[in-house]
Amino acid sequence: DVKVTQSSRYLVKRTGEKVFLECVQDMDHENMFWYRQDPGLGLRLIYFSYDVKMKEKGDIPEGYSVSREKKERFSLILESASTNQTSMYLCASSSSRLYTDTQYFGPGTRLTVL
Amino acid sequence: GENVEQHPSTLSVQEGDSAVIKCTYSDSASNYFPWYKQELGKRPQLIIDIRSNVGEKKDQRIAVTLNKTAKHFSLHITETQPEDSAVYFCAASYSGNQFYFGTGTSLTVIP
Repeated sequence: DVKVTQSSRYLVKRTGEKVFLECVQDMDHENMFWYRQDPGLGLRLIYFSYDVKMKEKGDIPEGYSVSREKKERFSLILESASTNQTSMYLCASSSSRLYTDTQYFGPGTRLTVL
Repeated sequence: GENVEQHPSTLSVQEGDSAVIKCTYSDSASNYFPWYKQELGKRPQLIIDIRSNVGEKKDQRIAVTLNKTAKHFSLHITETQPEDSAVYFCAASYSGNQFYFGTGTSLTVIP
């Protein structure tokens, strides 16, 4: 059973703070993704990574960076948090070795920036 | 890039009736179309998916149809139950490298 975990379920930060969101998967998946979910906008891709140390920008990368030093861990970094980054952040992973491309999601981190 | 549109944004049905949610996509290269169900406060979970070499797929009360020519795919839920109430997301992907999601449909099944 695939397990994707995120470091926090709820997080409150102040404007200008540096924020780290961590995601860990235990299925040896190559692909990992960070989305933000906002009402009426669905899931929007921030960054994804298809291998260690590899990263690709998604649709809304501005204000974010990522790090993938190990295969199982994908970190999202908000260099200087702003109020418009208040959102639900979802991590996901998938395998590129299997024909099945299913994404498995973490439980989400609800970030509030004051 | 790909653009996925999903309709309707909200849907209310009586228990036992059918529900249909439709999505269109723009990139003919997309070849994988999953549907996710997200219950309140929980993570999205895959409920059914379809690949571009198949026109229809069914799993108990849930079915998905794909029209590659028209670039649209639909989720059909028959004999709806209150536990089907959730937000449903469609997505389109080319070989799983990048997923493009619809904006979601909030389904309410009225007992």
